[in-house]
Amino acid sequence: DTGVSQDPRHKITKRGQNVTFRCDPISEHNRLYWYRQTLGQGPEFLTYFQNEAQLEKSRLLSDRFSAERPKGSFSTLEIQRTEQGDSAMYLCASSLGGGKSSYNSPLHFGNGTRLTVT
Amino acid sequence: AQSVTQPDIHITVSEGASLELRCNYSYGATPYLFWYVQSPGQGLQLLLKYFSGDTLVQGIKGFEAEFKRSQSSFNLRKPSVHWSDAAEYFCAVVYSGGYQKVTFGTGTKLQVIP
Repeated sequence: DTGVSQDPRHKITKRGQNVTFRCDPISEHNRLYWYRQTLGQGPEFLTYFQNEAQLEKSRLLSDRFSAERPKGSFSTLEIQRTEQGDSAMYLCASSLGGGKSSYNSPLHFGNGTRLTVT
Repeated sequence: AQSVTQPDIHITVSEGASLELRCNYSYGATPYLFWYVQSPGQGLQLLLKYFSGDTLVQGIKGFEAEFKRSQSSFNLRKPSVHWSDAAEYFCAVVYSGGYQKVTFGTGTKLQVIP
């Protein structure tokens, strides 16, 4: 178990630029989640994949945000035309799910990508 | 909709003192409850989880939590706090009947003084 890894750890960008983050989940995990965390808040759900299928997107995920998990392994989160309000920690998590046993599999989080939009 | 409330934003305790962090969840179907800990600049680490059975659950690092359905609570406790426990603690809930969408509380930041 090498854990969930996220890249980069930190990203500073100018407003209006596009950014892309990568998440590599634990290899046997079929579920992958993206969360956003701002200062003083708990993580907020953005989107969820089961294998390569994106099954839910939060209303927080505006049209400028897109996430993919093309082969059911790693995932990318892209933000287009970044705004200062996008500054946050973006957390990726994975779990092993499927059937009733899915509720016994907690989320394993990466260390996040901290985005600063100037 | 599922929700979690952590009424204490910030708590300060002395090293060696006992600790209790409060968590209340909104009424709904059978909840699955978690406590996570987050050190500065890091991701979240699972401390413990409750799915069913014994309402007192033991976790890592000497933490425990008690599920009380009548009070819709899942408070986290530790009998003796260590300086290394200083971090932010998040309570989280997911309800059965759907896939595993976890909702987090706003967190309680724990400060430990010598």
